[in-house]
Amino acid sequence: AQKVTQAQTEISVVEKEDVTLDCVYETRDTTYYLFWYKQPPSGELVFLIRRNSFDEQNEISGRYSWNFQKSTSSFNFTITASQVVDSAVYFCALSVRLTGGGNKLTFGTGTQLKVEL
Amino acid sequence: NAGVTQTPKFRVLKTGQSMTLLCAQDMNHEYMYWYRQDPGMGLRLIHYSVGEGTTAKGEVPDGYNVSRLKKQNFLLGLESAAPSQTSVYFCASRPQGPQETQYFGPGTRLLVL
Repeated sequence: AQKVTQAQTEISVVEKEDVTLDCVYETRDTTYYLFWYKQPPSGELVFLIRRNSFDEQNEISGRYSWNFQKSTSSFNFTITASQVVDSAVYFCALSVRLTGGGNKLTFGTGTQLKVEL
Repeated sequence: NAGVTQTPKFRVLKTGQSMTLLCAQDMNHEYMYWYRQDPGMGLRLIHYSVGEGTTAKGEVPDGYNVSRLKKQNFLLGLESAAPSQTSVYFCASRPQGPQETQYFGPGTRLLVL
């Protein structure tokens, strides 16, 4: 069965601190995709990154970086020098193939990040 | 290019009433999805469609019906609303191809009294 676990329900940091959001996944598929989405207080879901199972290179985009480790089934997300605008709920998701075509996203329960001044 | 839009943004229903949520995308995407988001549970798939005229059940389809008469639209219907259907509903779409990213609409907040 496919499953995504985000054990951190809520994290509070002070601005400029670095913060890492954890994501652990389970799947029997050998080919799969992992995603991170951001949900700010306004409620929309914003796509941040996609990573496929064959690419274990870490990725950096500005203050954001992602560490994918197949050996530990983890896909962790780090924000460097956090800012108040980073306050949001962050979801990790695993793409699961559906019979008949297409895929669905299995989401973790999300981590609420609060960045305070 | 508006992306994925959802109508309405917010609605209050009484138990037993019916309504339809509309999702529209202008990206010519083949696949469309309806999810619901409940506190502490992440998002769960209700129904999905892999193309015009096709629909299929997701994880939590009971109490909902869908239709995809046009490629750009995906409708979610509640025939007889129940308080358990109080939730935020998200529509998503993605292009054909292996494991592409799903792009989400802004959500519809539904309250069933």
